[in-house]
Amino acid sequence: GAVVSQHPSRVICKSGTSVKIECRSLDFQATTMFWYRQFPKQSLMLMATSNEGSKATYEQGVEKDKFLINHASLTLSTLTVTSAHPEDSSFYICSASGGAEEKLFFGSGTQLSVL
Amino acid sequence: AQSVTQPDIHITVSEGASLELRCNYSYGATPYLFWYVQSPGQGLQLLLKYFSGDTLVQGIKGFEAEFKRSQSSFNLRKPSVHWSDAAEYFCAVGARGTSYGKLTFGQGTILTVHP
Repeated sequence: GAVVSQHPSRVICKSGTSVKIECRSLDFQATTMFWYRQFPKQSLMLMATSNEGSKATYEQGVEKDKFLINHASLTLSTLTVTSAHPEDSSFYICSASGGAEEKLFFGSGTQLSVL
Repeated sequence: AQSVTQPDIHITVSEGASLELRCNYSYGATPYLFWYVQSPGQGLQLLLKYFSGDTLVQGIKGFEAEFKRSQSSFNLRKPSVHWSDAAEYFCAVGARGTSYGKLTFGQGTILTVHP
């Protein structure tokens, strides 16, 4: 079964609203979680790295005030897209790593469509 | 900074034929190397990974990859392709140490399988 659960799998929202995406590690403690973005027919681009209990580290060009990341526990990280616009429509995928370097798992992704 | 190049955007093979997907990376030391597969609208499934040791790595679904340090390559192979292998394939490189899990992905190779 899946060891990283990502919800929702698909969300449609109106422009100007905020959307929260959850990423949960189900059977291990995820000390670090990563958020990626994938535009249609393109590769995955890392948006930010979050460590439990500390502020996320954003990649260059990613607006931290627009993409709010919270990693309050060892099993949950959330990505909130604030004041969403159509250009934010994309596929968002999280991954979680923890402890041993063998542990790195991806969520199933969230397709965000902003109307 | 690390980078990954997948030279082939789209490959078409006949069912039962052999397959090789190319991946070249740029990294200052020996990285962690991964191959993932993604079906449309889905998350990533790990096919195989190289951390250390034997440079020929066996993965799931009959896939294998060979790490060649001298060529900075990590090509994915399968001796006989099945129609269900049609998907997009991503090569990724990860740094060792504290940045483990922070992956850089190649552009992806779309595999089409003809009956």
